[in-house]
Amino acid sequence: KNEVEQSPQNLTAQEGEFITINCSYSVGISALHWLQQHPGGGIVSLFMLSSGKKKHGRLIATINIQEKHSSLHITASHPRDSAVYICAVRANTGNQFYFGTGTSLTVIP
Amino acid sequence: DVKVTQSSRYLVKRTGEKVFLECVQDMDHENMFWYRQDPGLGLRLIYFSYDVKMKEKGDIPEGYSVSREKKERFSLILESASTNQTSMYLCGNWSPNYGYTFGSGTRLTVV
Repeated sequence: KNEVEQSPQNLTAQEGEFITINCSYSVGISALHWLQQHPGGGIVSLFMLSSGKKKHGRLIATINIQEKHSSLHITASHPRDSAVYICAVRANTGNQFYFGTGTSLTVIP
Repeated sequence: DVKVTQSSRYLVKRTGEKVFLECVQDMDHENMFWYRQDPGLGLRLIYFSYDVKMKEKGDIPEGYSVSREKKERFSLILESASTNQTSMYLCGNWSPNYGYTFGSGTRLTVV
């Protein structure tokens, strides 16, 4: 049983396309994170959110607490956005952290 | 910014060896983790610690132990390395203000 599910698992897009990656979770949370990992690289945190929407450059993250769902959007995608994007949540009971298995994004020039 | 440092980027060890992976954070965050990352399996939690000398088993603790004697340092120990422990190991911490910060990873090969 996976507490965090991401879709799609793999995504290929043309440069310039608008991209959406989805994350659904089954536990009550205090925070949700979007993480990015470039091939051969470390993991960096893109967003931490508990409600609403956050924007950083071409990246937008939204969360719907009632529906237990979050989306990561990339506008005007670029080949340098090619990476694995990981959704992670911190449960609001106990000290539990859960990760999705990631979405592998490839943006073709 | 929070910094998490893993002592080795690449390691090659022999089967049966005792292996120590070290992780140091430069903040006073309680929560620290060890994950392994394998193709197709994503990040799997081995152990986490929520304070000095406190530890909790994650999803795959078998064959591993941890040590947290000081708040800034969280060590992962492979008691007797086996080839199925060949993997990328990632240390990280989490705080309410900064969220996740990960080290650059240690790629361990057991031969």
